[in-house]
Amino acid sequence: EAGVAQSPRYKIIEKRQSVAFWCNPISGHATLYWYQQILGQGPKLLIQFQNNGVVDDSQLPKDRFSAERLKGVDSTLKIQPAKLEDSAVYLCASSFAVNTEAFFGQGTRLTVV
Amino acid sequence: GNSVTQMEGPVTLSEEAFLTINCTYTATGYPSLFWYVQYPGEGLQLLLKATKADDKGSNKGFEATYRKETTSFHLEKGSVQVSDSAVYFCALSPLDGTGGFKTIFGAGTRLFVKA
Repeated sequence: EAGVAQSPRYKIIEKRQSVAFWCNPISGHATLYWYQQILGQGPKLLIQFQNNGVVDDSQLPKDRFSAERLKGVDSTLKIQPAKLEDSAVYLCASSFAVNTEAFFGQGTRLTVV
Repeated sequence: GNSVTQMEGPVTLSEEAFLTINCTYTATGYPSLFWYVQYPGEGLQLLLKATKADDKGSNKGFEATYRKETTSFHLEKGSVQVSDSAVYFCALSPLDGTGGFKTIFGAGTRLFVKA
């Protein structure tokens, strides 16, 4: 079974530039999550989708972050404009249903300079 | 609200030593509890889980028991190996929908095992 796919693996951008990350979850998984993991911290949930609807985006900085999952499968997360403090690993995860374990992709390491 | 608190690291042990990483939680309802592991340069992997009180999750020699009375889910291993060096995250996923269904992580505990 293929795992959660994310791209790119690494990205370096200058502050105020834009960036987008892509995630393809495990086939059949209805729930998709985007997490931000700052160095030395645990992952923090940014947004959770159930199929193509948003369940929770309470910790998403909506002035600069946006995410979509238009067809209920793959998803994109965008930052526009980026700030230095956005430097982190962005993890995508999926689960078959809510309250079941989440399976994680390898993440995208973003460095904002 | 829902939260997870883990012991701070790093934890440094010699090979074959006994490991305990403490984890306590605050949650409404009856959450599922998880331990995830992140090896150097790799993504998060589920290590073990427990879905109800008194359940014991186990995998690769690691164990954790869901203690509702103490709201704890401590990770233990009887004899650690160098290959166990990683960051360990305790997490919970609430079952009752209050606050939304989501996996909430602790800050992580880094383990170093010396040969």
